[in-house]
Amino acid sequence: SSELTQDPAVSVALGQTVRITCQGDSLRSYYASWYQQKPGQAPVLVIYGKNNRPSGIPDRFSGSSSGNTASLTITGAQAEDEADYYCNSRDSSGNLLAVFGGGTQLTVL
Amino acid sequence: EVQLVQSGAEVKKPGESLKISCKGSGYSFTSYWIGWVRQMPGKGLEWMGIIYPGDSDTRYSPSFQGQVTISADKSISTAYLQWSSLKASDTAMYYCARHSMVQGYDAFDIWGQGTMVTVSS
Repeated sequence: SSELTQDPAVSVALGQTVRITCQGDSLRSYYASWYQQKPGQAPVLVIYGKNNRPSGIPDRFSGSSSGNTASLTITGAQAEDEADYYCNSRDSSGNLLAVFGGGTQLTVL
Repeated sequence: EVQLVQSGAEVKKPGESLKISCKGSGYSFTSYWIGWVRQMPGKGLEWMGIIYPGDSDTRYSPSFQGQVTISADKSISTAYLQWSSLKASDTAMYYCARHSMVQGYDAFDIWGQGTMVTVSS
């Protein structure tokens, strides 16, 4: 299966911790990558692999994986973290063109 | 600076053809896959297809197979997405993105700024 499932919306109080999850069979074999998209902007890679951040991504962003679920955690959420977050992975056949998750809209209260 | 720069916004009529571009710079264009992503207004990201400019190996998502054509001209470090006959339902933002294997992990690490395509009579 190449489907990845995310909760449509999550909210977090300013400075608190939030976890955004992504479920799919392929995640048992492949790590997810995570993308942040703010309104009117292109997506930006925030986490890839086991728990890797590209240069410039704050260390409050972290990733983890267990079984068929990948998670993106923001520890000490900031107002600027309010955005849509998408997960992506290969499908179970190793195809690069796995579907994205449907996206999670994060609101920072 | 590593970047992907896409062509500008387009306004077309149904039935017209269109080719949009994505130019890579600051890296070896022929050594990385380039993918195309559709984002319809207010909706999520959808993979359309991916090309390896080094040998033009191209893969399509089933939903887009036969609907679009992906190509690349490595001599000018540019990938393309084209339609032969546009429909109103093709109205969307289109992004190109570079695939990297970073420390052995997949990552679409560089994204173009997006090209807005509007199809309306």
